[in-house]
Amino acid sequence: SQTIHQWPATLVQPVGSPLSLECTVEGTSNPNLYWYRQAAGRGLQLLFYSVGIGQISSEVPQNLSASRPQDRQFILSSKKLLLSDSGFYLCAWSITDNQPQHFGDGTRLSIL
Amino acid sequence: SQKIEQNSEALNIQEGKTATLTCNYTNYSPAYLQWYRQDPGRGPVFLLLIRENEKEKRKERLKVTFDTTLKQSLFHITASQPADSATYLCALDMYGASGGSYIPTFGRGTSLIVHP
Repeated sequence: SQTIHQWPATLVQPVGSPLSLECTVEGTSNPNLYWYRQAAGRGLQLLFYSVGIGQISSEVPQNLSASRPQDRQFILSSKKLLLSDSGFYLCAWSITDNQPQHFGDGTRLSIL
Repeated sequence: SQKIEQNSEALNIQEGKTATLTCNYTNYSPAYLQWYRQDPGRGPVFLLLIRENEKEKRKERLKVTFDTTLKQSLFHITASQPADSATYLCALDMYGASGGSYIPTFGRGTSLIVHP
C-alpha cells in the first residue's frame, strides 16, 4: 500500500533562518506531488505541485521554493523565513490529475 | 475566478440525526468534486469523489450529490456519531495558473459537531 511521510511534525524557527521540509511517498511511481499551506481558520492554499522529477509549478508568488530531486521526494525550502511563513504545511500525492489526493500529517511551522 | 463557499459556522447536531453540509461554487462547473475529512492537527482524508455526470454517490453512511444547475454539492452523513465530528472540506478542479494540470482547489471547510 502507499504511504506518505512528512517531517518534522513541528518546527520553530527564527525570522531570517532557512527552511527545509521533506516529504516522501512509498508504494507508487511517478505520482503528482503537492505542497499546501493552511493558515489558522483558512483553507488549504496550494503552493507548489509537480508532475515529474525536476518539474515544479508554483501557484502563488512567495518566499518559498520547491524541488523534486527524486521521483517520490518533494522538498519545500526557504532561504530566509518571514513571520508570514508561519502555518501548517501539508504534502500530498495523487496518481494523476483529477484523482483523490492523499495527505501527510503535516508540519506545524512557527516563526519567532 | 472560481470560488468555493462552505458554511463557516459550525454545524451542531444530535447523535443519530443526518448531517447535511453544503458546498457552493461560482463560475464554471468542475469535471469532478471531492469531499475530505480533516481532524485537528492532521492532514485531510479523502472521502468521496463525484463526477459531473453523476447525480449521487454513496459510501456506507455517506452520500454526496452534485447539482451543476444549482452549482452545489451536498454532503450527507446518516445516523451520525460523535466520532463523525471533524471539519469537512470540499474541493473542485481548477486549471493550474502556471502549468498544464488540473489542480484541486479547496473550500475552507465546515466544522461538524455531533453531540451524544
